[in-house]
Parts: sequence; structure tokens; C-alpha cells
Amino acid sequence: LAKTTQPISMDSYEGQEVNITCSHNNIATNDYITWYQQFPSQGPRFIIQGYKTKVTNEVASLFIPADRKSSTLSLPRVSLSDTAVYYCLVEGGTSYGKLTFGQGTILTVHP
Amino acid sequence: NAGVTQTPKFQVLKTGQSMTLQCAQDMNHEYMSWYRQDPGMGLRLIHYSVGAGITDQGEVPNGYNVSRSTTEDFPLRLLSAAPSQTSVYFCASRVTQGFNQPQHFGDGTRLSIL
Repeated sequence: LAKTTQPISMDSYEGQEVNITCSHNNIATNDYITWYQQFPSQGPRFIIQGYKTKVTNEVASLFIPADRKSSTLSLPRVSLSDTAVYYCLVEGGTSYGKLTFGQGTILTVHP
Repeated sequence: NAGVTQTPKFQVLKTGQSMTLQCAQDMNHEYMSWYRQDPGMGLRLIHYSVGAGITDQGEVPNGYNVSRSTTEDFPLRLLSAAPSQTSVYFCASRVTQGFNQPQHFGDGTRLSIL
């Protein structure tokens, strides 16, 4: 299984860009990288997913280098409402049926 | 469109009692799963189903049973509740078992076992 490692917590201020990096050194060829966001008392919510290079949607960007051993979630101009836990997952054939969300990164956005 | 609906939202049980956590989705998704989340931790997969009539165990299946008689419903049964099963339980679904699709989560059931 591809284990992921991400910072336990990060602090930022409103209007700044936030980059959260996730390491997944033993990612397999058919694995995808997926990021979820979770607010207190709610279920996780899908943010973005990618396989390689760069993916962008209306919420975030995901940067994946050529070796795919890490990925970076980029949140442009964060606001207080972006305070949440962010989970990086590696999903694919090797994790099938055994998918586990790690501890995630607690992002706190300050005024 | 309700998405993934979990009931009840809160439940308190005594040790040894049994109960069923309900999960329903109205998106015609094939794949459904159950996770538990303990304080300060991420989610761990309990059981999953790739379609009606098909279920399999995840990482932490002991003490839980599931069935999938319809596409829409995926109930989770606690056979004999134990304090170690105190947790928040999340149900999720996605279109198929393919990994290039997002999972949609319910808002959870908060379960306390006394």
C-alpha cells in the first residue's frame, strides 16, 4: 500500500496562497492522487484528483512531479472558511479495499 | 438531490446491544463503503460493496456486518456493541469502483457505547 505523509498542521492568513505537500514514495503505476477536505461534524468532501503533471479546478490546483513520489495541493487566496482538515490519498489497485485516510493536515486560516 | 443520507445522526448504546446504521444514496452509485473516524485520526475502511449483492471487508471489519440488497442502501450492523466501537461512522459512495472518481460522503453517525 502506498503510505502518505503530510504535515500535521499549517497556519496561514486570509488572502495568502497555501501549499500542502504530501509524500507517497511507493506510489504504484496505476494509483491516483486524491485530496479531500473535511470540516468539523461533516463528512470529507472531494477537492481534486490527479495522475500526473498539473490539474486545476475552480477550487484548487494539484501539482504532481514526474516521479509522482509527492504531490502539492495549492489553495489560492484562502479565506477563513478554508479552515479544515485536508487529506491526501493514493488510490489504486494496491489499496483496493484497504483505503485509509491518514491523519491529514489541519489548516488554520487567521484573519 | 439528497446525495448520501445517514441515519441516525446520533446514537447512544449500552455494551452488548445491537443496532443498524442506515445509509442510502440516490445517485445510482455502484460502489458504497463504510468508514469509522476516531478522535484526532483519519478514516479507516470497515466494509465496502461494489454492487448489489457483493460486499467485502476493509481494514477494520471485526464486529461489523453489512449487506447490499439494493443499489441504494448499504446498512452497517453492530452485532454486540463494545466501547471500542465508539466513533463517528461515515458512509460514502461513488459511481463505480474506479479510482478516478470522487467519493461522496454522508455527514456521519456519532455513536457512543457505554
